[in-house]
Amino acid sequence: KAGVTQTPRYLIKTRGQQVTLSCSPISGHRSVSWYQQTPGQGLQFLFEYFSETQRNKGNFPGRFSGRQFSNSRSEMNVSTLELGDSALYLCASSLGLADREGYGYTFGSGTRLTVV
Amino acid sequence: QQPVQSPQAVILREGEDAVINCSSSKALYSVHWYRQKHGEAPVFLMILLKGGEQKGHEKISASFNEKKQQSSLYLTASQLSYSGTYFCGTVYSGAGSYQLTFGKGTKLSVIP
Repeated sequence: KAGVTQTPRYLIKTRGQQVTLSCSPISGHRSVSWYQQTPGQGLQFLFEYFSETQRNKGNFPGRFSGRQFSNSRSEMNVSTLELGDSALYLCASSLGLADREGYGYTFGSGTRLTVV
Repeated sequence: QQPVQSPQAVILREGEDAVINCSSSKALYSVHWYRQKHGEAPVFLMILLKGGEQKGHEKISASFNEKKQQSSLYLTASQLSYSGTYFCGTVYSGAGSYQLTFGKGTKLSVIP
């Protein structure tokens, strides 16, 4: 079966612009989480969605937002890009609630965002 | 609060064993383990739930000590394919603590 699909794979943006990243979870998975990965900070939690509702949000500024659609596909948006936003953005999907129901995450290959 | 992993890096020869530890200062509900190879996505290895038993996956197994709020990942008879960065992810007990928080990772290199 198809894995978690993230688009685009690579993106170069200029400071001040905004960007939208897309994630299509595995069919049947209702939970989608987003992480920012950088060499210095590792995997930093952005937010998690389950059945179109945001369950939790990480410690990121309001410029980072997301949403989930009825088909479980998710998007995250970053407005007013800063150089420090350059990172690999990973999306992960889970059949249910990974934290409480014992399901693991399946990660996508990520979107590599470079802000210049 | 981010769990603490140790060691940060380890080099093994094929066939040797390794232990990676993951510690938390807060009460844990569950611990996840993932492996990420260079340029690839993290891959789920196993999850340990509070009150659960030690899990195993081929020659990779893990334990969860609830009293110490610590989990350990055991890699036995290591193979070249075990190389990568291992991350533990923790979920804390208590209401409102839903997110999976990852440690900074342990880089494992297996050499011939």
